[in-house]
Amino acid sequence: EVQLVESGGGLVQPGGSLRLSCAASGLTFSSFWMHWVRQAPGKGLEWVSRIDSGGSSTIYADSVKGRFTISRDNAKNTLYLQMNSLRAEDTAVYYCARGLFRDDYTPWGQGTLVTVSS
Amino acid sequence: DIQMTQSPSSLSASAGDRVTITCRASLGISNSLAWYQQKPGEAPKLLLFAASRLKSGVPSRFSGSGSGPDYTLTISSLQPEDSATYYCQQYYSASWTFGQGTKVEIK
Repeated sequence: EVQLVESGGGLVQPGGSLRLSCAASGLTFSSFWMHWVRQAPGKGLEWVSRIDSGGSSTIYADSVKGRFTISRDNAKNTLYLQMNSLRAEDTAVYYCARGLFRDDYTPWGQGTLVTVSS
Repeated sequence: DIQMTQSPSSLSASAGDRVTITCRASLGISNSLAWYQQKPGEAPKLLLFAASRLKSGVPSRFSGSGSGPDYTLTISSLQPEDSATYYCQQYYSASWTFGQGTKVEIK
């Protein structure tokens, strides 16, 4: 089955760190650019970061630049998001998403909830 | 960054009605536009890409059109199961941006 499964979310205090994972199956993971997108409770979708297929090129939203790091392990078919210096406004469901749009587009996973609170 | 302006923010229509949602980009995006449907508690689901290409399995009552900076999602005959929030998204830029969303309710 073609799917993306996010994990690693949880409750963390402000200033803390968390690493999210996205396990890909049923697709040639190493061929695709990958993205993280988040959705704060009751809010819209916000793009967070993108990594190219080889892992050498990354870009970030201004809201997370310098605090978050995207990476990937193509041997493990897994995407990561290292989140440091977390703030209350980072509270959201985090989704991973494939970058290439065509008819075989991989559905987004259910996401993983990150709650930043003391 | 490319800004996406989506309207309306919400609408209420009856089953069988024709519904249109618009999305305007701050610059031309060469049809690099996707539309998603999101129901409460679920992940966004891709409906269309390349502005007008319907993803397989999506009902044909959904259609997309547009060019340059202006795009439209149309539901030709609204069904009760179409109650959801719809988002446009540009992928012309490597840093994606999304519209603010349109909540569609069935009267």
